[in-house]
Amino acid sequence: QQQVKQSPQSLIVQKGGISIINCAYENTAFDYFPWYQQFPGKGPALLIAIRPDVSEKKEGRFTISFNKSAKQFSLHIMDSQPGDSATYFCAATPTQGGSEKLVFGKGTKLTVNP
Amino acid sequence: DVKVTQSSRYLVKRTGEKVFLECVQDMDHENMFWYRQDPGLGLRLIYFSYDVKMKEKGDIPEGYSVSREKKERFSLILESASTNQTSMYLCASSSRASGNTIYFGEGSWLTVV
Repeated sequence: QQQVKQSPQSLIVQKGGISIINCAYENTAFDYFPWYQQFPGKGPALLIAIRPDVSEKKEGRFTISFNKSAKQFSLHIMDSQPGDSATYFCAATPTQGGSEKLVFGKGTKLTVNP
Repeated sequence: DVKVTQSSRYLVKRTGEKVFLECVQDMDHENMFWYRQDPGLGLRLIYFSYDVKMKEKGDIPEGYSVSREKKERFSLILESASTNQTSMYLCASSSRASGNTIYFGEGSWLTVV
């Protein structure tokens, strides 16, 4: 019930391609869905987040698509660049629960080849 | 910018040693967290604290304890380190005002031999 399932575990994309990472959840109380980006040797940092009142949120080359009925959300990275190579974590939480209730996916290691 | 500082980036300890991992945040955040990160397992919450001297168990508290004597400082303690505690440890903080955004430190790599 509390899990967030993330796929794929690793992803290799050519420069200029589209990277797509998918997450699925079961807990219908989840209503805040952030994505964190982690570069090697660094801690994760918030990249973009969405709430279920919208189906899509775009910030630059990064877009979250959200499907409430399917309980799925995904991160799309357009025109992927080598500098996007990092590990990406999706997460979910019920807003009322506070940040200690944040549940993370297991991460996707993205490699963008030049 | 929020800064979460983990003073020890790389440590090597022997089995049975007592280990202290220290974390300081400079944004007056109420909440502080310790996570463990392992390949293929993602981020797992060990303990969190929502106020000075307050602590709550996370998903994997066994073998760990924490201390929060000051608002800005949160320590993770391994009373008797074991090889299965070799991992990357991430400290994080958040404020009630910032909602659910968590700010992470750069991590402490612990190897127990």
